[in-house]
Amino acid sequence: AQSVSQHNHHVILSEAASLELGCNYSYGGTVNLFWYVQYPGQHLQLLLKYFSGDPLVKGIKGFEAEFIKSKFSFNLRKPSVQWSDTAEYFCAVFGGSQGNLIFGKGTKLSVKP
Amino acid sequence: SAVISQKPSRDICQRGTSLTIQCQVDSQVTMMFWYRQQPGQSLTLIATANQGSEATYESGFVIDKFPISRPNLTFSTLTVSNMSPEDSSIYLCSVDTSGGPLYEQYFGPGTRLTVT
Repeated sequence: AQSVSQHNHHVILSEAASLELGCNYSYGGTVNLFWYVQYPGQHLQLLLKYFSGDPLVKGIKGFEAEFIKSKFSFNLRKPSVQWSDTAEYFCAVFGGSQGNLIFGKGTKLSVKP
Repeated sequence: SAVISQKPSRDICQRGTSLTIQCQVDSQVTMMFWYRQQPGQSLTLIATANQGSEATYESGFVIDKFPISRPNLTFSTLTVSNMSPEDSSIYLCSVDTSGGPLYEQYFGPGTRLTVT
């Protein structure tokens, strides 16, 4: 069965710092990968997704992620975080038995103003 | 895209009682999913709600505990039966609107359930 690992449980940064959140998946075949974000009090929203092609994927709000097949990784990056990026971030892979997404445990990001 | 609403947004329930959570989508969708998010854990699929047939449950989840209805293509309910404190979680409804190779899954705001 596929699985997703997010290594950082809670990341605390100051505004303007660079961000990289780690995500590793277990499946070795073709993968569809996603990053979702959940702002405080709001529902899960899609940040970006990778299906094929350019392994560097750009999403909303200045986020990007790089798919590195050899490392089974799909890390999320942002060059300069803002206080409004405070949220919980979930990495996910498509491929559950029912066509569902399989999620990591999430990384809580706190950005200090 | 899809706009999903859930009711209730939160509830505090007593042990042994049941709660039914409603999920309404603003467009017709084929696939609707119910997930559970326990404190400090990832989202875990409970079941897929199938229109016109019984839900398909993931391992570890059973119909007697989590009965699901899907009367049409825009609505589904999840009931958490005979609740215990271990059922305290956020329950999320999700839909797949892609209808094709580009997978698009959207989530409702969730129902935060506390069982005392």
